[in-house]
Amino acid sequence: DVKVTQSSRYLVKRTGEKVFLECVQDMDHENMFWYRQDPGLGLRLIYFSYDVKMKEKGDIPEGYSVSREKKERFSLILESASTNQTSMYLCASTPSGGGSGELFFGEGSRLTVL
Amino acid sequence: AQSVTQLGSHVSVSEGALVLLRCNYSSSVPPYLFWYVQYPNQGLQLLLKYTSAATLVKGINGFEAEFKKSETSFHLTKPSAHMSDAAEYFCAVSVRPNDYKLSFGAGTTVTVRA
Repeated sequence: DVKVTQSSRYLVKRTGEKVFLECVQDMDHENMFWYRQDPGLGLRLIYFSYDVKMKEKGDIPEGYSVSREKKERFSLILESASTNQTSMYLCASTPSGGGSGELFFGEGSRLTVL
Repeated sequence: AQSVTQLGSHVSVSEGALVLLRCNYSSSVPPYLFWYVQYPNQGLQLLLKYTSAATLVKGINGFEAEFKKSETSFHLTKPSAHMSDAAEYFCAVSVRPNDYKLSFGAGTTVTVRA
């Protein structure tokens, strides 16, 4: 089975802190994604990556950055956390070329910024 | 650009009753359509997907969905609800094979009454 692991399930941070959310997948998928989930808004794409060291902005990239130094790992970085970044963050991956388009999700990281 | 509208943020059904969750999409090209389920404190998992084969798609846990191009709809149904169906359900669309990103609806929370 594909496994997408998010290192932290629950985090509490203070305004202005730098926050790292880590995601690792074990199926050699080329594509990785960070989504943000908020009630009534569904999932919104923050950033995605098609390959190592490549990244593209999604729909709501402001206030976030990402890093993909290895194929299996995709990190989301909040340079200076703010209260409006309190949310559930979901990482996902999918293979390129011939895949069905199914995204495989981690269990999520719930971030609270005080 | 593609988008998804889920009608009804909350649905309450009795155990054994029909579950019907509505999803309408907009897409300028033939879409790929997905239904995902999220149980409490978990990530999303795929229920079923439409990728231009049969218009009636069967998924896991007794769910199915029908793609109706004329109505731009992809409604999810289950003939008989079970208590374990209580969850949040998301409809999503992509325009692969050119795009691996999914656009998600706002979600519908299902509660099942005993």
